[in-house]
Amino acid sequence: KQEVTQIPAALSVPEGENLVLNCSFTDSAIYNLQWFRQDPGKGLTSLLLIQSSQREQTSGRLNASLDKSSGRSTLYIAASQPGDSATYLCAGTSGTYKYIFGTGTRLKVLA
Amino acid sequence: AAGVIQSPRHLIKEKRETATLKCYPIPRHDTVYWYQQGPGQDPQFLISFYEKMQSDKGSIPDRFSAQQFSDYHSELNMSSLELGDSALYFCASSLGDRFANQETQYFGPGTRLLVL
Repeated sequence: KQEVTQIPAALSVPEGENLVLNCSFTDSAIYNLQWFRQDPGKGLTSLLLIQSSQREQTSGRLNASLDKSSGRSTLYIAASQPGDSATYLCAGTSGTYKYIFGTGTRLKVLA
Repeated sequence: AAGVIQSPRHLIKEKRETATLKCYPIPRHDTVYWYQQGPGQDPQFLISFYEKMQSDKGSIPDRFSAQQFSDYHSELNMSSLELGDSALYFCASSLGDRFANQETQYFGPGTRLLVL
């Protein structure tokens, strides 16, 4: 059974720092991987999608990479801002089409 | 661009009542997924439909049922509601491509259900 772990579970940093959030799958056979942002009580905002033929995606200050050999993904946030404070979820499909979500990283960026 | 539409956005029910959540996928999308996110938890897959047929089933209680209609919208029916059913319910849609497995799921804003 696919399980997804995100490290760290929570993170508090001063504004301006560069951050790395980690996501690890027990089954490395991942097809699509997506990173989401979720604000408290709100829906899912898609940040980056890495499709099966890709290894990396970039959008603005965000960069996500996927190492299929190890089943690990990282989300890099450059020059963090207080507005980046939220919970970040990774989710992937492997063998089936449903997404398996990670446990999430709660990020707080202090002004 | 059109997105996934879910209705209602908020719903309050009493225990043992019934609730129906609706999902309208992006035009031309033929696959719908339902997820449940309890308080402080990550989203969990419930059920999915492809071309109006159930394609996969997750941890969906027997009290819940769902279907996809001819216009591809989907409804999640929840009966005998329990306090533990209080959650955010997401619907996602995609364009099925079973051979290439390149499906991208687009998520709706969710329906927040509160059972009192």
